[in-house]
Amino acid sequence: EIVMTQSPATLSVSPGERVTLSCRASQSVSIYLAWYQQKPGQAPRLLIFGASTRPTGIPARFSGSGSGTEFSLTISSLQSEDFAVYYCHQYNTWPLTFGGGTKVEIK
Amino acid sequence: QVQLVQSGAEVREAGASVKVSCKASGYTFTNYGISWVRQAPGQGLEWMGSISGQTGDTNFAQKFQGRVTMTSDTTTTTAHMELRSLRSDDTAVYYCAKEGGGYGSGRRDFDYWGQGTLVTVSS
Repeated sequence: EIVMTQSPATLSVSPGERVTLSCRASQSVSIYLAWYQQKPGQAPRLLIFGASTRPTGIPARFSGSGSGTEFSLTISSLQSEDFAVYYCHQYNTWPLTFGGGTKVEIK
Repeated sequence: QVQLVQSGAEVREAGASVKVSCKASGYTFTNYGISWVRQAPGQGLEWMGSISGQTGDTNFAQKFQGRVTMTSDTTTTTAHMELRSLRSDDTAVYYCAKEGGGYGSGRRDFDYWGQGTLVTVSS
């Protein structure tokens, strides 16, 4: 199975800062990569699919890039509501797999 | 609007089975697959398997092969996930999630999620 590795595990940042989260796949997943945001007690929310496409309603401060095995999610200016856990997810190959998550916390 | 509404919390003893349902509305049920994803307390997301809305074909993570059944009822637009031979480490919130793309699109990201069902397994 494809192993997804996210780094760092935890990121301490201040509101207004720019943050970049990384996700690496153990083998190529082309652009079949999604990012989700999860807040405590809530279901995950889709932020990015196809490595770089934002669904309708997702703010433009969220952007995704990459292909193959290296991906990143950038939040251009962190808002208070963005403190959460972020997961990457490959859907190129069965079994589908998730990264372990990056927690973005207030500095 | 798209909604996935799951059944309520369950408590089971080790060795028993549990069946969780996911009622879908607001979209053409047969055009999209549904996956089941679980999350143990304080842990990350774990994909369990998926069922095609079009064909009923299933794919499972190897660790659940032989222990899980996924079905979908097109008349009631409800998906079900049954997990058998429960162990204490099956204690988790179980989510159903709708695939973002239609049948054959290759889009197996998850654009809508159910609210989650807590399954607690006591030993």
